[in-house]
Amino acid sequence: DVKVTQSSRYLVKRTGEKVFLECVQDMDHENMFWYRQDPGLGLRLIYFSYDVKMKEKGDIPEGYSVSREKKERFSLILESASTNQTSMYLCASSLLSLDGKQFFGPGTRLTVL
Amino acid sequence: AQTVTQSQPEMSVQEAETVTLSCTYDTSENNYYLFWYKQPPSRQMILVIRQEAYKQQNATENRFSVNFQKAAKSFSLKISDSQLGDTAMYFCAFMKLRGRNTGKLIFGQGTTLQVKP
Repeated sequence: DVKVTQSSRYLVKRTGEKVFLECVQDMDHENMFWYRQDPGLGLRLIYFSYDVKMKEKGDIPEGYSVSREKKERFSLILESASTNQTSMYLCASSLLSLDGKQFFGPGTRLTVL
Repeated sequence: AQTVTQSQPEMSVQEAETVTLSCTYDTSENNYYLFWYKQPPSRQMILVIRQEAYKQQNATENRFSVNFQKAAKSFSLKISDSQLGDTAMYFCAFMKLRGRNTGKLIFGQGTTLQVKP
C-alpha cells in the first residue's frame, strides 16, 4: 500500500513565524499535491508538483511556497504565518497525472496564534 | 471554471439502510472524470469510486454505486447496507482531461454522513 506521511499531526505557531510542513511518500509517485481543508469549502489546491524541482500554482498559492528537492518529499512553506492560514493541510500523491487516484496523508492541523 | 456543489452538509442513516449523497457540477468539457472520496474521522482520505464521463454505465464498487447523469451534470453516490464504518465525510470531485488545469481535482464542500446503530 502507498504510504503518505506528514511531519506533524498538530502544529501551533505564532503570527510571522516561518512554518515548514513536510510530506513524504514511499511509492515512487511522480505527482504530489498540497491542499488546505476548511469547513464548508472542501479541499482547495495550494501547489502541486509533477516532477522533482518542478512546481505549479494551484488555486490558492498566495502566502505559500513549496520545495521538491527529492522525488519522495514535498514541502509546503508558510513564509510568514498569518491567522488566516489556520487550517487543516493535506498532502497527496499519485502515480499518474491523469487518473485522479490520489493517496492522501493524515493531515496537519495548523493553528496560527 | 469548473465547480462542484454538494448541497447536503450533513446526513444520517440507520445501519443496514441505503443512503444517497448528491453532487452536481458545472463544466463545458465533454471528457472528464468524477470521483467520490471518503474521509473517516481522524483517518486518511481514500478514494471510493471513479466514473469516466465517456462511459454510460454507472460505476460500482461493492456496496457503493453512482448515478451519473451527464446531461443533468449530476453525480450521486449510493451506499447500500450502510455500516458503522461508513461514517465519514464524503467529497465529490471533478477532473478535466485536457487543457488548462488538466489533472487537478476540484472538490465539493463535503457531506458528513453519520451511520447510526
